[in-house]
Amino acid sequence: EAQVTQNPRYLITVTGKKLTVTCSQNMNHEYMSWYRQDPGLGLRQIYYSMNVEVTDKGDVPEGYKVSRKEKRNFPLILESPSPNQTSLYFCASRQKTYPYEQYFGPGTRLTVT
Amino acid sequence: GQNIDQPTEMTATEGAIVQINCTYQTSGFNGLFWYQQHAGEAPTFLSYNVLDGLEEKGRFSSFLSRSKGYSYLLLKELQMKDSASYLCAVRDLRGSGGGADGLTFGKGTHLIIQP
Repeated sequence: EAQVTQNPRYLITVTGKKLTVTCSQNMNHEYMSWYRQDPGLGLRQIYYSMNVEVTDKGDVPEGYKVSRKEKRNFPLILESPSPNQTSLYFCASRQKTYPYEQYFGPGTRLTVT
Repeated sequence: GQNIDQPTEMTATEGAIVQINCTYQTSGFNGLFWYQQHAGEAPTFLSYNVLDGLEEKGRFSSFLSRSKGYSYLLLKELQMKDSASYLCAVRDLRGSGGGADGLTFGKGTHLIIQP
């Protein structure tokens, strides 16, 4: 089954404790992306990657890191999480060509206390 | 930068038609998406417009006018399961050399369907 998977689905952590949210897709998509979704602010793009070893900042990259060492994986790293990073995070992937339809993972609900 | 506006909430009746508008201001415009998102779930793709005009897909249609920075999503024969948020998103070329490919979402329109 074609899908995007994220782990963990739920995470409660404390300020400053480094964490990684994994994202993997099995559709051989070149393009992958991370978003956060907050009430009243909608979905905002954090980082995206157009291919292996190619990453670019989205609209809200501060406090996050990403890497793209393999085509299927695109982990999101929070080196020193803070409470303002409490949010619902989605990973997504798509092929590089038309119709550019993005497939989203199920989401990771992160709480930083 | 990008600026995308859509109504916060709309209410419609089962069986009726509803139009959800989206206006945008962006540089490097390269297409507009509509996504549907049910509460607690991930967004799912509905449509993509890059040229002016109407694209029809079953009960859903999407329209784009690039000169006006305007799009709408039209939902016909509304069903209770259409109660969801509808997200307008603009694809733009940005980043170093203009070849990068970002996506900016509006805040979404929460559609409530009444019997």
